[in-house]
Amino acid sequence: QKEVEQNSGPLSVPEGAIASLNCTYSDRGSQSFFWYRQYSGKSPELIMFIYSNGDKEDGRFTAQLNKASQYVSLLIRDSQPSDSATYLCAVGSDTGRRALTFGSGTRLQVQP
Amino acid sequence: GAVVSQHPSWVICKSGTSVKIECRSLDFQATTMFWYRQFPKQSLMLMATSNEGSKATYEQGVEKDKFLINHASLTLSTLTVTSAHPEDSSFYICSARQGSRPRDTEAFFGQGTRLTVV
Repeated sequence: QKEVEQNSGPLSVPEGAIASLNCTYSDRGSQSFFWYRQYSGKSPELIMFIYSNGDKEDGRFTAQLNKASQYVSLLIRDSQPSDSATYLCAVGSDTGRRALTFGSGTRLQVQP
Repeated sequence: GAVVSQHPSWVICKSGTSVKIECRSLDFQATTMFWYRQFPKQSLMLMATSNEGSKATYEQGVEKDKFLINHASLTLSTLTVTSAHPEDSSFYICSARQGSRPRDTEAFFGQGTRLTVV
């Protein structure tokens, strides 16, 4: 069983719609949760992080965390073609001396 | 956010030669850095954890004698691919975490190095 699971997609949404990306994790001791965006041929860039249950909003992005359900999601409002990329969910536990555990990513396609 | 710089961004080398990739944290001290490899259309694969002043910790299946990691200072880790072969062609990415506490620990990625072995 993978430690961090994501639907590989592609998830296709029309421009202006809300894109919803989901992620589940297996380690209940996980303390930090991250969403990265990776364009083809580029390295991942951090979009958002969340530590506490509930929602966290940053511009068009909202991260949602439910530790009881071991579930993290990312909502992208008013999706733009430039949002088309692979979105990686990552989970951290204990200390910064261990690598984050990454999901395999969900490919998002925003149709103009 | 913190900046991690990786060099070179791309390299082409002949089979059998060695290639060194540098990863620098520019505005923070990184006691731990991580090296990943990513093949086309696949997810990040952690290769090793680089610890300043001590030996790297390699993931299962990664040859430590082939992928030499040196973390000589708090701002620099290097990955040397020794005796490179075409199957080593991949996208290599380093990352660093800024602190040791969980809440300091977003991972910041270098730009990646596209290695092509011919």
